[in-house]
Amino acid sequence: GAGVSQSPSNKVTEKGKDVELRCDPISGHTALYWYRQSLGQGLEFLIYFQGNSAPDKSGLPSDRFSAERTGGSVSTLTIQRTQQEDSAVYLCASSSLGVWGEETQYFGPGTRLLVL
Amino acid sequence: AQKVTQAQTEISVVEKEDVTLDCVYETRDTTYYLFWYKQPPSGELVFLIRRNSFDEQNEISGRYSWNFQKSTSSFNFTITASQVVDSAVYFCALSEVINDMRFGAGTRLTVKP
Repeated sequence: GAGVSQSPSNKVTEKGKDVELRCDPISGHTALYWYRQSLGQGLEFLIYFQGNSAPDKSGLPSDRFSAERTGGSVSTLTIQRTQQEDSAVYLCASSSLGVWGEETQYFGPGTRLLVL
Repeated sequence: AQKVTQAQTEISVVEKEDVTLDCVYETRDTTYYLFWYKQPPSGELVFLIRRNSFDEQNEISGRYSWNFQKSTSSFNFTITASQVVDSAVYFCALSEVINDMRFGAGTRLTVKP
């Protein structure tokens, strides 16, 4: 399809394990965003990539979280030593130019992470 | 500090009623952007509108309309003649600077037939 895709759609893991979440943005989109939607917490911005530039990681909740974007396209969000409070839906979005606030972000379906 | 407040956690209306979803924001910047997103039961966020801080003109798109008032720091969203398909969680969001976007807690709208 032509939209943002994310995998896996669901992930159940044990506390302390590492997980990788993948996002495939819309082809040609230079900007990619990660958000987290926790129960009762609403939507939380995590990180933003513009092309191949180094991202601003200040939104990441802890140093257990990291994200990469290879070749300016696919992105991976990694959570190390997962904790139960990491359980959430992780949403990825992309936009064509990355001119912040001035264009539409298209969201993927999300990855639902459950840490037991 | 809470940047975006959606005081209505849940709203329930009967089909064809009009409904207004409130959004109050907090910022010290003169340049900022406001957004509304819809999240239907399927989970995917759907962009509805973007407004920059220099454009206070109200906007109407079909049954949807938005009232942006800087004097009260509000960006309210009205659905006219609501339909069952409007049932969703609606998020208001504020972006002040690059790499930062703050969402409200969302308002769950249920439209009953």
